[in-house]
Amino acid sequence: QKEVEQDPGPLSVPEGAIVSLNCTYSNSAFQYFMWYRQYSRKGPELLMYTYSSGNKEDGRFTAQVDKSSKYISLFIRDSQPSDSATYLCAMSAVPTGRRALTFGSGTRLQVQP
Amino acid sequence: DSGVTQTPKHLITATGQRVTLRCSPRSGDLSVYWYQQSLDQGLQFLIQYYNGEERAKGNILERFSAQQFPDLHSELNLSSLELGDSALYFCASSTEGSNQPQHFGDGTRLSIL
Repeated sequence: QKEVEQDPGPLSVPEGAIVSLNCTYSNSAFQYFMWYRQYSRKGPELLMYTYSSGNKEDGRFTAQVDKSSKYISLFIRDSQPSDSATYLCAMSAVPTGRRALTFGSGTRLQVQP
Repeated sequence: DSGVTQTPKHLITATGQRVTLRCSPRSGDLSVYWYQQSLDQGLQFLIQYYNGEERAKGNILERFSAQQFPDLHSELNLSSLELGDSALYFCASSTEGSNQPQHFGDGTRLSIL
């Protein structure tokens, strides 16, 4: 069983929809949680970073962490065609500048105009 | 632009061959990470270097090796290549600070024929 599970999709939504992306994990030592966005033929780009449980909002993006359920989510409001990409969750037990990250396999999102 | 440069962008070679992938980290970043991204596998951590020294190893095959040079650029050497080594290879860099994110290059696509 993988340490981090993520629904691979693809997920197709109409423009303006609210998108919910999720990951579950098994390692209770994870404390640092990230969402990366990866466009085709590009490297992953950091979208959101949270520590421990709670919510964090940045513009149209909201990240939620529920450590008791070992479940993290990324919500995208008013989705745009430019949001079409693969979204990767990533986690770490130690501060992110010191050790490698453990990634989910990514969810492919397609926002239809 | 993440500031992390990877060359070449695409490499095509045959089984049994050896290749070298190169990564230049962001200015000031001392840590370099190598990841492999295969279809539907997400990003798998291979190896980390910090200021020229190996810091951590992940799922790196014995046929693979890496090093970080005094100017902080890093090279990943892949030898006795097999068809299954076809993948995207990403380099990321970060500073040592506790919550500094990892910044990714755009990867090298390795195709084994």
